[in-house]
Amino acid sequence: DGGITQSPKYLFRKEGQNVTLSCEQNLNHDAMYWYRQDPGQGLRLIYYSQIVNDFQKGDIAEGYSVSREKKESFPLTVTSAQKNPTAFYLCASSAINTGELFFGEGSRLTVL
Amino acid sequence: KQEVTQIPAALSVPEGENLVLNCSFTDSAIYNLQWFRQDPGKGLTSLLLIQSSQREQTSGRLNASLDKSSGRSTLYIAASQPGDSATYLCAVGSSNTGKLIFGQGTTLQVKP
Repeated sequence: DGGITQSPKYLFRKEGQNVTLSCEQNLNHDAMYWYRQDPGQGLRLIYYSQIVNDFQKGDIAEGYSVSREKKESFPLTVTSAQKNPTAFYLCASSAINTGELFFGEGSRLTVL
Repeated sequence: KQEVTQIPAALSVPEGENLVLNCSFTDSAIYNLQWFRQDPGKGLTSLLLIQSSQREQTSGRLNASLDKSSGRSTLYIAASQPGDSATYLCAVGSSNTGKLIFGQGTTLQVKP
């Protein structure tokens, strides 16, 4: 089945640790995105990439890093510099021609 | 700056009712508008995508309309069912920034 796979679904982290969230898509989409969702705040864009080996900061990139070495993969690292990392993280992808966005099932990160 | 508003924030209706969810945006320079459904703890599922040149899209019991001049979109759900209970989000693709801006969603409860 075509889709977007995020892992892990749940992740617990101690303060001061970096964690990496995985996002893989087999939809042959060029563009990939990372969003953060907090209660009462809607979705906020962290990073996006429209082509391999290139990515841009979104609205809340501080404390996060990404890479895009393969078309199918767009991992997100939540670094220790992110002051409030507990949130629900959503990865998405879209085809350049339609712009329709498709989402993965999300990863919930909790900092202990 | 594009702002997207969804009113009401929550809605409760009896089963079988036809209902309308509203989405308004401040800047008419958009390239598309997309409606999503989100179940608790899950990712977003794309329901309908309307390109800027289109006025409406239909899928099953769902119909979405777009009026760029007034900055409004509506999602019409016919003959609502308990399984329609979820949060519905609209997202507007801004022509100026190339980014998708999300509303905060309307949480729908359909009572049996």
